[in-house]
Amino acid sequence: DAGVIQSPRHEVTEMGQEVTLRCKPISGHDYLFWYRQTMMRGLELLIYFNNNVPIDDSGMPEDRFSAKMPNASFSTLKIQPSEPRDSAVYFCASSSGQRIQYFGAGTRLSVL
Amino acid sequence: QQQVKQSPQSLIVQKGGISIINCAYENTAFDYFPWYQQFPGKGPALLIAIRPDVSEKKEGRFTISFNKSAKQFSLHIMDSQPGDSATYFCAAPSQGGKLIFGQGTELSVKP
Repeated sequence: DAGVIQSPRHEVTEMGQEVTLRCKPISGHDYLFWYRQTMMRGLELLIYFNNNVPIDDSGMPEDRFSAKMPNASFSTLKIQPSEPRDSAVYFCASSSGQRIQYFGAGTRLSVL
Repeated sequence: QQQVKQSPQSLIVQKGGISIINCAYENTAFDYFPWYQQFPGKGPALLIAIRPDVSEKKEGRFTISFNKSAKQFSLHIMDSQPGDSATYFCAAPSQGGKLIFGQGTELSVKP
């Protein structure tokens, strides 16, 4: 398996623009997690899905953030409108059951 | 929200030395405690994990020690090498399949 695939790897955008991050989990995994990593706050869980259903979105910072998982092989994290403070590395991870999480390589987002 | 407290934030060790990273967690009822390793520009990757019914697990130069009564566990890296330089995260399971991660320890092994 190719592992968790995230795209794009890097995103540079201007404040106010919409940003969409994409994730393809490992085939057969039933959990999908979105994290944000910054120097100040470390690794934060934003939202996670089980069998394509959002289970806990309490980590989503505000209404500008939304996430969807239309099927078992694809998820998106959208920020609209983006702000400079959203600049971070965003990771997607997947797991089979409540076990080891496998992370993608991340998307480095810069909002100017 | 449960927390996992990890220390130190950063660690500098000479090549061949022992690196020790500590974590303390709050109440949890799940069955494993993983450590993740992250190199610059990469996502975290599972390094080693321990079940709470054992006190120690060793894989090569990496050892986890677990103290269930104290709710603490630690990672020991023996004979540390420059290639071990990375950020290390401990994690504890929380409800519903989540992992609660520590703040991370940036390890630098000097040649």
